[in-house]
Amino acid sequence: AQKVTQVQSTGSSQWGEVTLHCSYETSEYFYVILWYKQLFSGEMVFLIYQTSFDTQNQRNSRYSVVFQKSLKSISLVISASQPEDSGTYFCALSEPHSNYQLIWGSGTKLIIKP
Amino acid sequence: NAGVIQTPRHKVTGKGQEATLWCEPISGHSAVFWYRQTIVQGLEFLTYFRNQAPIDDSGMPKERFSAQMPNQSHSTLKIQSTQPQDSAVYLCASSLDRLGPPQDTQYFGPGTRLLVL
Repeated sequence: AQKVTQVQSTGSSQWGEVTLHCSYETSEYFYVILWYKQLFSGEMVFLIYQTSFDTQNQRNSRYSVVFQKSLKSISLVISASQPEDSGTYFCALSEPHSNYQLIWGSGTKLIIKP
Repeated sequence: NAGVIQTPRHKVTGKGQEATLWCEPISGHSAVFWYRQTIVQGLEFLTYFRNQAPIDDSGMPKERFSAQMPNQSHSTLKIQSTQPQDSAVYLCASSLDRLGPPQDTQYFGPGTRLLVL
């Protein structure tokens, strides 16, 4: 069974708000969810993280998350989307018992049309 | 500051040949990670080093794959007797430490695209 689950693809038009969903399985009290964007070149770029101890949703520039801890769900929200936001977005789970190695979702391919 | 550097960017080998992939972590980062990415399996953790010491290689195939970190400025992933199923993008990442974010945040190199014919 997938430990981290993402939808395969989605799209939007420029300037819209985009929401990418991620659900995960964990029995840890403390864990971290990280979001990365993979460019078409293959480069992986870190975007934002949320820990299970954070009481507020995190924000970093145009990126923010909606963390629903009880549902084991976290969404990445991209505001004022641009065509250059197109790429594949990965959600990753990091847990202490596995030495914080990243457990990856399968990624969501996002296309932003001008 | 240079990011994580991986060389070569692309490598094509014949079945049965050896492939060595290089990674130079961000200066000052004490942890180095190797991942493999394929269409079928997605992103898979292979191994990681902390302060050059191997900590967790639970994701490494037991045969033909080995990783080393002889000094703090580079790590190598070696695949002996390459097979077509080894074709993948191999990603290297580094992080400052393991004490939690942001120190724990991993920064990735561009990857090495390996094709085994």
